[in-house]
Amino acid sequence: GQQLNQSPQSMFIQEGEDVSMNCTSSSIFNTWLWYKQEPGEGPVLLIALYKAGELTSNGRLTAQFGITRKDSFLNISASIPSDVGIYFCAGRFQSGNTPLVFGKGTRLSVIA
Amino acid sequence: SQTIHQWPATLVQPVGSPLSLECTVEGTSNPNLYWYRQAAGRGLQLLFYSVGIGQISSEVPQNLSASRPQDRQFILSSKKLLLSDSGFYLCAWSVVFGYGYTFGSGTRLTVV
Repeated sequence: GQQLNQSPQSMFIQEGEDVSMNCTSSSIFNTWLWYKQEPGEGPVLLIALYKAGELTSNGRLTAQFGITRKDSFLNISASIPSDVGIYFCAGRFQSGNTPLVFGKGTRLSVIA
Repeated sequence: SQTIHQWPATLVQPVGSPLSLECTVEGTSNPNLYWYRQAAGRGLQLLFYSVGIGQISSEVPQNLSASRPQDRQFILSSKKLLLSDSGFYLCAWSVVFGYGYTFGSGTRLTVV
């Protein structure tokens, strides 16, 4: 089935550093979503993007819907220890009659 | 407000035993429901989804089945568990099909 290419697969960063991760697809999406999963929990929605070019922030998190509608990125500024987790991108096809497609996740580790 | 419940939180079952995981959603009607499996901190694998009572779509043929006996109840079952069925099982729901999922807190299944 359709897959999203999410990178990097994992990241080890120092507390206070900025983080960037992205997702690309060969297909066009009409919605991009970013989720965070903490250990032992279900993923939680962080940011939803609905229009090409849209830039949306949620605290220290900023995400953008790519102009081509085939990519999205998530930035985290001034990372803190509680940012640790797995970040998933997800996309919804234009047709809207298929389930969300998820990336394989970016595992973020923050070193204090 | 809407809430999603999954139980049990953890489960240890012997190989060959049956399985029943339950997911219920409160505070909404006719939700779209999804079962995912996540192996050892990896990506999310869609197992089943349902857009209405008695309707089940299977994404991956395997040793599992799903049922939706009531509007807001989604059950994941197996007649005989395999070692490879171990993992973290997540239920999710959405108002619009394929969009904006809310996940439950998950069930960690260990087959021994």
